[in-house]
Amino acid sequence: QQQVKQSPQSLIVQKGGISIINCAYENTAFDYFPWYQQFPGKGPALLIAIRPDVSEKKEGRFTISFNKSAKQFSLHIMDSQPGDSATYFCAASTPVGTGNQFYFGTGTSLTVIP
Amino acid sequence: GAGVSQSPRYKVAKRGQDVALRCDPISGHVSLFWYQQALGQGPEFLTYFQNEAQLDKSGLPSDRFFAERPEGSVSTLKIQRTQQEDSAVYLCASSPGTFGYGYTFGSGTRLTVV
Repeated sequence: QQQVKQSPQSLIVQKGGISIINCAYENTAFDYFPWYQQFPGKGPALLIAIRPDVSEKKEGRFTISFNKSAKQFSLHIMDSQPGDSATYFCAASTPVGTGNQFYFGTGTSLTVIP
Repeated sequence: GAGVSQSPRYKVAKRGQDVALRCDPISGHVSLFWYQQALGQGPEFLTYFQNEAQLDKSGLPSDRFFAERPEGSVSTLKIQRTQQEDSAVYLCASSPGTFGYGYTFGSGTRLTVV
C-alpha cells in the first residue's frame, strides 16, 4: 500500500509559471516531509523539507504548504525555469526511533517549456 | 569523498547470476541506507546501517538479498540468483547522524537482469 500518494504524474508548465505538486498521506505518525528533485541518471537530491508544526516553508522559489488536518502537503515552484525540469518526489518519515525509512511518492515529471 | 559514490554505474546480469553493488558513503557518515527504485517509481527502502550494525533489513524483498557494512564505511549489496524482477536502480544514501534527515543519495547502480 502506497503510504504517500502523489499527483500529478506529469506536469508541463510555461517558463515563469507556477508548478504545483500535491501529496497526501494517511499515517498521522509521520513528522517529517521532504521533497526531492531527481535529474535523469542522478540520485534524488533534497530540495526542501517541513515538519507538521508549521503550515508553510519557503526557500527561494520553492514553497511547501502543509495542511495537517487534511493530511496533505504540496510543493509550489514559483517562476518555473527550464532548469527545473526534473522528477520531483515527496516523502515522509516517522520520528527517530520509530522507523528508519523514508516513504516516497511515485514522482512527478515536470517539464518547463521555454 | 565529496559525495556518495556507487559502483558500477550499470550492471547487466544474466538471470541466475550473483551480483555485488558497492557504496562508498561520505566520509564520517554514520547512517547508510539502500533503496530500490523501479522504473517510473519512487525509491523503496531496503535496509539501514548505523556504523557497521544493520539495524533494519525489513525492506529486503527476499533472502536472495544481502547487505553488509563490515567496517562502518563501505557497504555492499549482494543479490544472489538474480531474477528479472530485480531489474531496477539501486540507490545508496548516507547521513551524518543516526537517522536520515538531510541524507545524500548516490547516483545509483542500474541493474538489468536479462
